[in-house]
Amino acid sequence: KNEVEQSPQNLTAQEGEFITINCSYSVGISALHWLQQHPGGGIVSLFMLSSGKKKHGRLIATINIQEKHSSLHITASHPRDSAVYICAAHQGAQKLVFGQGTRLTINP
Amino acid sequence: GAGVSQSPSNKVTEKGKDVELRCDPISGHTALYWYRQSLGQGLEFLIYFQGNSAPDKSGLPSDRFSAERTGGSVSTLTIQRTQQEDSAVYLCASSLMGSTEAFFGQGTRLTVV
Repeated sequence: KNEVEQSPQNLTAQEGEFITINCSYSVGISALHWLQQHPGGGIVSLFMLSSGKKKHGRLIATINIQEKHSSLHITASHPRDSAVYICAAHQGAQKLVFGQGTRLTINP
Repeated sequence: GAGVSQSPSNKVTEKGKDVELRCDPISGHTALYWYRQSLGQGLEFLIYFQGNSAPDKSGLPSDRFSAERTGGSVSTLTIQRTQQEDSAVYLCASSLMGSTEAFFGQGTRLTVV
């Protein structure tokens, strides 16, 4: 079992739909990242969370430390949101442990 | 630029050859990470440098892989006697000491033919 599990692995939705991607982790963490990777592109850090909730534009990330669970939400999804979304857990101040990623496709 | 810079962006090499991948971290960032992403796979940790401490090499997949960081800045990842299974995107990230926010480079796409 991976230390960081994401679900779903693949998600296809219509433009405008509300999107939720989930991340569960089994290790103790100091922070959790949500990353976005576009096809052929690099990785962009969306959020870094250690507690509560953060919002940036149409993106919202939440984390529940007790339940070891985080969610990434996208409101009013758009085709340009199509990408792989990766959850990564920081163990201490050292390496990141990555989830397998969720491939999101938003159809117009 | 102000971001993490990796070179080359693409590298095609013949099986058995050695390759060197370079990472220029953000100035002042003492922590540097190497990861790789094989086709269809998730990100995999390779090695971590923090200041002058001994690097965490626990993710290196074989002794054909090595990395060094000169002067606490630029890092090179060397793969000797490349194999086809080494084909992947190799990503570098850096962060400030004590910070958990990592900044990623654009990656080097390595193809071993």
